[in-house]
Amino acid sequence: GAVVSQHPSWVICKSGTSVKIECRSLDFQATTMFWYRQFPKQSLMLMATSNEGSKATYEQGVEKDKFLINHASLTLSTLTVTSAHPEDSSFYICSARGDRTFHFYGYTFGSGTRLTVV
Amino acid sequence: AQSVTQLDSHVSVSEGTPVLLRCNYSSSYSPSLFWYVQHPNKGLQLLLKYTSAATLVKGINGFEAEFKKSETSFHLTKPSAHMSDAAEYFCVVITFSGTYKYIFGTGTRLKVLA
Repeated sequence: GAVVSQHPSWVICKSGTSVKIECRSLDFQATTMFWYRQFPKQSLMLMATSNEGSKATYEQGVEKDKFLINHASLTLSTLTVTSAHPEDSSFYICSARGDRTFHFYGYTFGSGTRLTVV
Repeated sequence: AQSVTQLDSHVSVSEGTPVLLRCNYSSSYSPSLFWYVQHPNKGLQLLLKYTSAATLVKGINGFEAEFKKSETSFHLTKPSAHMSDAAEYFCVVITFSGTYKYIFGTGTRLKVLA
């Protein structure tokens, strides 16, 4: 139980275009989802927290207009990187909290998305 | 504020020898602590968690960790390393700021030598 699917696993896009990353909880309802960014050989940096049906809460220094987060249902959150530039290239990971699964599994992580902007 | 410090950025062990990955925590209340493993270009997998029950926590793949309040430590151990254990390991503490959030350590890269 408590499986999170993240797609795509990797994506290459041209500078100036937008990219959407999906994070789905497959077997539980995710009341809260988190988006992280990870630079090479570094730890995870929390970008934003989203609750189903409400606006995401962004961490200090994260541009909300560049990183659009939507959490329209209890099983799906999306991160859209708008007008991507090479400095946005990174590994993005989502995690999800289910009220019934948290006690057993903690937050469950997706497999990550490697974004390369050329 | 809650925080965790992973004392070693890199650890190398020979296959079949014990593994020790060190983590100290700082918390103003009884913490919830986790260890996660990340293989290259993959997400994070939960190894084990401590939530104020037994101080010795057993996890998957033969890993265990002991919560020591007097030392504010939560070190991860395994009696015998396997080549497949080579990965990045993160110690995590939960903090509450409107919602529960994970605070990650800086990670320890475990290398297993044949």
